[in-house]
Amino acid sequence: DGGITQSPKYLFRKEGQNVTLSCEQNLNHDAMYWYRQDPGQGLRLIYYSQIVNDFQKGDIAEGYSVSREKKESFPLTVTSAQKNPTAFYLCASSIIGRDTGELFFGEGSRLTVL
Amino acid sequence: RKEVEQDPGPFNVPEGATVAFNCTYSNSASQSFFWYRQDCRKEPKLLMSVYSSGNEDGRFTAQLNRASQYISLLIRDSKLSDSATYLCVVNNQTGTASKLTFGTGTRLQVTL
Repeated sequence: DGGITQSPKYLFRKEGQNVTLSCEQNLNHDAMYWYRQDPGQGLRLIYYSQIVNDFQKGDIAEGYSVSREKKESFPLTVTSAQKNPTAFYLCASSIIGRDTGELFFGEGSRLTVL
Repeated sequence: RKEVEQDPGPFNVPEGATVAFNCTYSNSASQSFFWYRQDCRKEPKLLMSVYSSGNEDGRFTAQLNRASQYISLLIRDSKLSDSATYLCVVNNQTGTASKLTFGTGTRLQVTL
């Protein structure tokens, strides 16, 4: 079955540690995205990528980094510079083109900083 | 002002009721509009697109008013399984990738 796989589903980390969230898709989508969701807030875009080896900052990129070395993979690193990293992180993908409003999301990764 | 605003609810309705959610957006240049559904602690999933002429999918009807920058979702004959959070989403496309802005969502609880 085609889809997006995120791992780990739950992650705990100590303050000051970097952590990398994995996102893999087998939908052959060109575009991939990382969103963050906090209680009472909408999803906020962290980074997105339209093509391999290229990515753009979203609205809240500070304290995060990404790479896109393969079409299928778009890992997100939450660095120690991110002040409030505890959140629900969602990876998504979509086709490229006009009105591509359908994003396919992974099941998410819940990060808790202790 | 938020880019996409929704009443957070919750809307508590009995089974069989009709319920309507509203959403306003601030960017008049927004190109396309969607409703997503998100179950508790799950990922969002596309429910339906919203077209200027209005569109229907079974018990769900979506409407767009570009002049007022207003989107609505009507659910008829509510089922228990409709209980979820409904996210209003606006696409401000940059280049070829979607740049979706999500509202905070309206929570619906359908009861017996």
